[in-house]
Amino acid sequence: EPEVTQTPSHQVTQMGQEVILRCVPISNHLYFYWYRQILGQKVEFLVSFYNNEISEKSEIFDDQFSVERPDGSNFTLKIRSTKLEDSAMYFCASSARGFVGRFFGPGTRLTVL
Amino acid sequence: QQQVKQSPQSLIVQKGGISIINCAYENTAFDYFPWYQQFPGKGPALLIAIRPDVSEKKEGRFTISFNKSAKQFSLHIMDSQPGDSATYFCAGSFGSNTGKLIFGQGTTLQVKP
Repeated sequence: EPEVTQTPSHQVTQMGQEVILRCVPISNHLYFYWYRQILGQKVEFLVSFYNNEISEKSEIFDDQFSVERPDGSNFTLKIRSTKLEDSAMYFCASSARGFVGRFFGPGTRLTVL
Repeated sequence: QQQVKQSPQSLIVQKGGISIINCAYENTAFDYFPWYQQFPGKGPALLIAIRPDVSEKKEGRFTISFNKSAKQFSLHIMDSQPGDSATYFCAGSFGSNTGKLIFGQGTTLQVKP
């Protein structure tokens, strides 16, 4: 069964450093998303991406965040200068045209020290 | 106005019992209401979803009941099994591929053998 994959599974970084979280969405999906989940809290939307541009973003997704689809298979989330409060589980998701259900990856746990 | 409120926060049910999780939404423009199941260390997995023009949807042991006038919907898990022990999230969205999912706070279900 096709699935969304994410790397790394756990990333530890120092405050102020840049991190790139990587995702490989399901191959025939056209819509891509990033969500995050702070420990013990609900899942929060960050950004949706379609046709090589951002479709929608939340207030969390400020200038420190960026997304990119550098090739035909990867989808990345970059945090330019990490803060302690960026520590969370980051989930990538994708969906197919005509089916609004999102398929989530296993997540990357980001720890900012 | 885009919140989705979920209750209870945690639930303990005996094997074979019925688990009921409730959600209430505010935005009447939502037209897609999925439920996600999340096991520890995994991403949310789509369980079942409903559109507001339907009052009930059943898939196996899982049923969504939807009350449009009350702006409420609920998940019923019949014949609950220990393998159902997980965190369940309801969500609302505008039903498009590019729109965000607004998640509830989550319910941790424990099914005792």
